[in-house]
Amino acid sequence: EPEVTQTPSHQVTQMGQEVILRCVPISNHLYFYWYRQILGQKVEFLVSFYNNEISEKSEIFDDQFSVERPDGSNFTLKIRSTKLEDSAMYFCASSGGQGPYNEQFFGPGTRLTVL
Amino acid sequence: AQSVTQLGSHVSVSEGALVLLRCNYSSSVPPYLFWYVQYPNQGLQLLLKYTTGATLVKGINGFEAEFKKSETSFHLTKPSAHMSDAAEYFCAVSERNNRLAFGKGNQVVVIP
Repeated sequence: EPEVTQTPSHQVTQMGQEVILRCVPISNHLYFYWYRQILGQKVEFLVSFYNNEISEKSEIFDDQFSVERPDGSNFTLKIRSTKLEDSAMYFCASSGGQGPYNEQFFGPGTRLTVL
Repeated sequence: AQSVTQLGSHVSVSEGALVLLRCNYSSSVPPYLFWYVQYPNQGLQLLLKYTTGATLVKGINGFEAEFKKSETSFHLTKPSAHMSDAAEYFCAVSERNNRLAFGKGNQVVVIP
């Protein structure tokens, strides 16, 4: 069964460093998403991406964040200068179409720890 | 803005007993509602969803949920808990776009 994969499963970094979180969406999907969950808090939407463009972003997704689909399979989230408060579980998701009729399939997450 | 409330971060249920997880939402438009489950070291998996039509929605693994507009609720139930139901459960709401707004989740523990 096709699934979304994410690497690494756990990333530890120093404050101020850049990190890139990687995702491989389901191969025929066209819509891609990042969410995050800070420990003890809700899963929060960060950004959605379609046709090589950001289609929607939340207020959390500021200039330190960027997303890219560098090739036909990967979808990445870059955090340029990490802060302590960026420590969270980051989930990637993909869907075959737009809107709630199209299920978003989630990866297992990358746990980011900023020291 | 849409939001979801799930009370009680940890829920303990005896094997064979009813599982009831409560979800209340707020939305400025008729919502689309979802329940996701996360097993250890896995991604969030869709259990069921309500978009339009029948308010009682059946999902995988014997779960169901009922949309009650008057109560702004979408509670998840399963008549008889199995050990394999131990997982974290998330309620989510979407309005007209791709953005899902999640609740904090309920960690379900099944007691033998």
